[in-house]
Amino acid sequence: NAGVTQTPKFQVLKTGQSMTLQCAQDMNHEYMSWYRQDPGMGLRLIHYSVGAGITDQGEVPNGYNVSRSTTEDFPLRLLSAAPSQTSVYFCASSNTGNTEAFFGQGTRLTVV
Amino acid sequence: GDSVTQMEGPVTLSEEAFLTINCTYTATGYPSLFWYVQYPGEGLQLLLKATKADDKGSNKGFEATYRKETTSFHLEKGSVQVSDSAVYFCALVRGSGSRLTFGEGTQLTVNP
Repeated sequence: NAGVTQTPKFQVLKTGQSMTLQCAQDMNHEYMSWYRQDPGMGLRLIHYSVGAGITDQGEVPNGYNVSRSTTEDFPLRLLSAAPSQTSVYFCASSNTGNTEAFFGQGTRLTVV
Repeated sequence: GDSVTQMEGPVTLSEEAFLTINCTYTATGYPSLFWYVQYPGEGLQLLLKATKADDKGSNKGFEATYRKETTSFHLEKGSVQVSDSAVYFCALVRGSGSRLTFGEGTQLTVNP
């Protein structure tokens, strides 16, 4: 009964370092997405995928890369971390169509 | 583009008080509307949804009615509990897509 699993839960990076946030879902959902949550701004879409091999940019994609080699996994890569990327990151999955989205517990990232 | 506007927070109430959190939206076509809730330290989870005009979504004592004429989806609960303390997000999905657009979120604190 795992749902959407994100790792790690917490991470501190130095400016310029790279890292990958992992996201996996076991519900066979086609649609997966990454959001960042910042105070007073709600959740903003970074990248999304409608199926394996297909990804697209959201509202705030700069500084982030994604890939979708399998239905289950949708990692988010920070190529060269910047303090502006300090945020809480959420991965979500759903079936296509306006159905319920399931969220992971989030990754709190601090870039110093 | 699509947008969702929520009432400014934070909101602080006493137990058993009446709750209203306002939400208005801008979108072309006929979006589906959602309320998500985020408890401390957790990811978002669906609270309720409505997919067409005049639909009422309800769950755990919360209700919201899809008002197309006023482009609103206000969240209400007749008697809040301490356990309702959380951040509430209004969101929409347009058409048959899966891409969620979120409001800013409203922090609710309920005191005993």
